[in-house]
Amino acid sequence: KAGVTQTPRYLIKTRGQQVTLSCSPISGHRSVSWYQQTPGQGLQFLFEYFSETQRNKGNFPGRFSGRQFSNSRSEMNVSTLELGDSALYLCASSLRLAGHNEQFFGPGTRLTVL
Amino acid sequence: AQSVTQLGSHVSVSEGALVLLRCNYSSSVPPYLFWYVQYPNQGLQLLLKYTSAATLVKGINGFEAEFKKSETSFHLTKPSAHMSDAAEYFCAVSDQDNFNKFYFGSGTKLNVKP
Repeated sequence: KAGVTQTPRYLIKTRGQQVTLSCSPISGHRSVSWYQQTPGQGLQFLFEYFSETQRNKGNFPGRFSGRQFSNSRSEMNVSTLELGDSALYLCASSLRLAGHNEQFFGPGTRLTVL
Repeated sequence: AQSVTQLGSHVSVSEGALVLLRCNYSSSVPPYLFWYVQYPNQGLQLLLKYTSAATLVKGINGFEAEFKKSETSFHLTKPSAHMSDAAEYFCAVSDQDNFNKFYFGSGTKLNVKP
């Protein structure tokens, strides 16, 4: 079974631009969660989508948004980029079942904001 | 909200020595608990998970963790460290009633000396 895939793997943007990251979950997984990882703040939860609906949300400003498509693929968008948005963005998919809620992570998208 | 504390941001052991990485969680109800490993420039890989079936959980690569409710701990151990174990390790917890929202610890970087 193919793992979680994320595209692109690397991105360089400038302040004020916007960016869209993509995540394809493991086949059969309908839940996709997004995380931001930085050396200073560690792993921070952004949001989770399940059946095209946002089910959980972390404490990030509205510049961070996401969506999920009917095939469970998910996109994350960051508008008006700031220098502090430079990070590794990880997505994870899961079956979202009690006892089977482990999350499987993709390799991440490394975003650099100049 | 849940929280996870990992004692020691850096741990150094000699090859062949015992590995002990500490994790404490905050919850009055046993949650779901996980250990993940992250190698440089990669996503997180699941090592093992606790879902209340057994207090001693065996994972991949010779790692195991013991759930101790009285100590609210879920420490990760490996009897004999290998050079390939050098990586960053994350403990994570999710609630029984919102089991798809994960809270991650700040991570412990394991260095293995030859």
